[in-house]
Amino acid sequence: SYELTQPPSVSVSPGQTARITCSGDALSKAYAHWYQQKAGQAPLLIIYKDTERPSGIPGRFSGYSSGTTVTLIISGVQAEDEADYYCQSAESSGILIFGGGTKLTVL
Amino acid sequence: EEQLLESGGGLVQPGGSLRLSCEASGFIFSDYAMSWVRQAPGKGLEWVSSISGSGGKSYFADSVKGRFTISRNNSKNTVELQMNSLRIEDTAAYFCAQVPTPILGSITYFQHWGQGTLVIVSS
Repeated sequence: SYELTQPPSVSVSPGQTARITCSGDALSKAYAHWYQQKAGQAPLLIIYKDTERPSGIPGRFSGYSSGTTVTLIISGVQAEDEADYYCQSAESSGILIFGGGTKLTVL
Repeated sequence: EEQLLESGGGLVQPGGSLRLSCEASGFIFSDYAMSWVRQAPGKGLEWVSSISGSGGKSYFADSVKGRFTISRNNSKNTVELQMNSLRIEDTAAYFCAQVPTPILGSITYFQHWGQGTLVIVSS
């Protein structure tokens, strides 16, 4: 089995850029997807296939991939972006895996 | 608008069974694979199981393999998770999620989510 590693926490001031990384050997061959989960709510897909943004997701959310690391970038962070963020990937066998999650704090 | 509504959660003793159901609306159900994802209190997301759009293929996390089964009824737009031999560590909110393709593979992700149903395994 493989693992996806995220930093437990990231803190930024409003208006700054937040970068949340997700690392794993499998990411060199597989896509990563990102979810935002606010307290008490279901997760929300915000980035899929490394860099694609679903309709309705603000343009300040973007994704970047390089080698075995993918990065979620939130430009011009707003207070409402405070949440937990999870990366996720899949094996061709159908097995799916999440990273441990990163708590984004807006100072 | 796509909607997913889970039901069936509750309190169950260790070793017991529970059947979760997810009713879907707003999309052609058989065109999409479906999954269950859980989240223990204060913990991260954990994928549990997935089933293809036709129901012909299913997959399970190692932590539930042999104890949980997944099924779907495309005429009723429902997907169910039968949970047997429940353990305390199965305590979690269980989310139903739509996969944007009928087939599961290396590009599987979760496009839409329900609000979850809480399962508590305790004596």
